[in-house]
Amino acid sequence: DTGVSQDPRHKITKRGQNVTFRCDPISEHNRLYWYRQTLGQGPEFLTYFQNEAQLEKSRLLSDRFSAERPKGSFSTLEIQRTEQGDSAMYLCASSLRSGPYGYTFGSGTRLTVV
Amino acid sequence: AQKVTQAQTEISVVEKEDVTLDCVYETRDTTYYLFWYKQPPSGELVFLIRRNSFDEQNEISGRYSWNFQKSTSSFNFTITASQVVDSAVYFCALSEAQRAGRRALTFGSGTRLQVQP
Repeated sequence: DTGVSQDPRHKITKRGQNVTFRCDPISEHNRLYWYRQTLGQGPEFLTYFQNEAQLEKSRLLSDRFSAERPKGSFSTLEIQRTEQGDSAMYLCASSLRSGPYGYTFGSGTRLTVV
Repeated sequence: AQKVTQAQTEISVVEKEDVTLDCVYETRDTTYYLFWYKQPPSGELVFLIRRNSFDEQNEISGRYSWNFQKSTSSFNFTITASQVVDSAVYFCALSEAQRAGRRALTFGSGTRLQVQP
């Protein structure tokens, strides 16, 4: 297993379009997280899954954002009617319930809304 | 609410100098975890260390060392004999363990370290 994979690495979209990102966690990790990172800032928590259940959503996750994790494996994050303020790096991380080594992050999807 | 402050926005040193990155945190929990991550230009966050709030022993790993002081709510990171490959953005993060199951991370704003040859 080569770690957490995210696709695509880069996405440029016009304002108002919908975009979807995919995250494939480490296979034995049952927890999956989405974070958003804007330029010059640290990542901010968006949402968290334990297996297929979405257990928490940040207030940052507006109604235009939706995340799924069918069957507790890969996850998708969709942004509808994108706005310029959505431009950011979207990071996915996974972890074991009691893993001692923290979270493993993917390389992220950089979204640019023009 | 929890908060992590990294007051140093950017640090520039010359290779072989020692450098310390500061991290101050706020939390109401008595049990929590602190982390340091490295983010090189490629963008991936690389895990460096995790400490729990009950373990205040300092830790050394090669050229890296960490000083955890609960009395001052600080978890500082020192790189000894810095190298150009250490150039990256470093993030300190906090996770509150008592919030059942969540364990999401609260990150500081990061410190950009530039090591000049």
